[in-house]
Amino acid sequence: AAGVIQSPRHLIKEKRETATLKCYPIPRHDTVYWYQQGPGQDPQFLISFYEKMQSDKGSIPDRFSAQQFSDYHSELNMSSLELGDSALYFCASSSTGGGNSYEQYFGPGTRLTVT
Amino acid sequence: SQKIEQNSEALNIQEGKTATLTCNYTNYSPAYLQWYRQDPGRGPVFLLLIRENEKEKRKERLKVTFDTTLKQSLFHITASQPADSATYLCALSYSSASKIIFGSGTRLSIRP
Repeated sequence: AAGVIQSPRHLIKEKRETATLKCYPIPRHDTVYWYQQGPGQDPQFLISFYEKMQSDKGSIPDRFSAQQFSDYHSELNMSSLELGDSALYFCASSSTGGGNSYEQYFGPGTRLTVT
Repeated sequence: SQKIEQNSEALNIQEGKTATLTCNYTNYSPAYLQWYRQDPGRGPVFLLLIRENEKEKRKERLKVTFDTTLKQSLFHITASQPADSATYLCALSYSSASKIIFGSGTRLSIRP
């Protein structure tokens, strides 16, 4: 079965640079979520989109922005990168139809290293 | 704000035994409580979901209970195997298509 696809899988950037992470949800999933997981930490919710509109917002820095496109893929844009932004970034998707909208399916993650 | 505590950072048990992991939360009960498995460097994998009006849910060797009075969920793996070794995350969600709030996880090790 198709899973959530994230690209790139690894990214190395320098401080103050910009990064763009991409997420392709499972086909027919209409909701996308972004999470950040630091070393030894649990995943922290950043932002989510339902039908291309922002549906919920968590602890996402103002330096970050995200959007969901007409094909349902999503991009997380991160500017003025800081050392503390080094983490695993997960995208998850879910479908609001069929009664399983609470189950989120996670991608393999993008490991961002800021030097 | 909601706080989720999982009983221990690490749990070590003998193969074949039942592993029991605990998840406690504060404040108001979620509509749904979920358990995920996470292996190092990988994304969480959904295992089971239980609704606030359900007491117990089973799936193969897995069993989840949910007690809204105690504000607690128990996650059991019966006939544990070394392949079950991973970090298990308890997670709460309050509405459809909303964020998941994760606990800090319990690292389970099953020794042969």
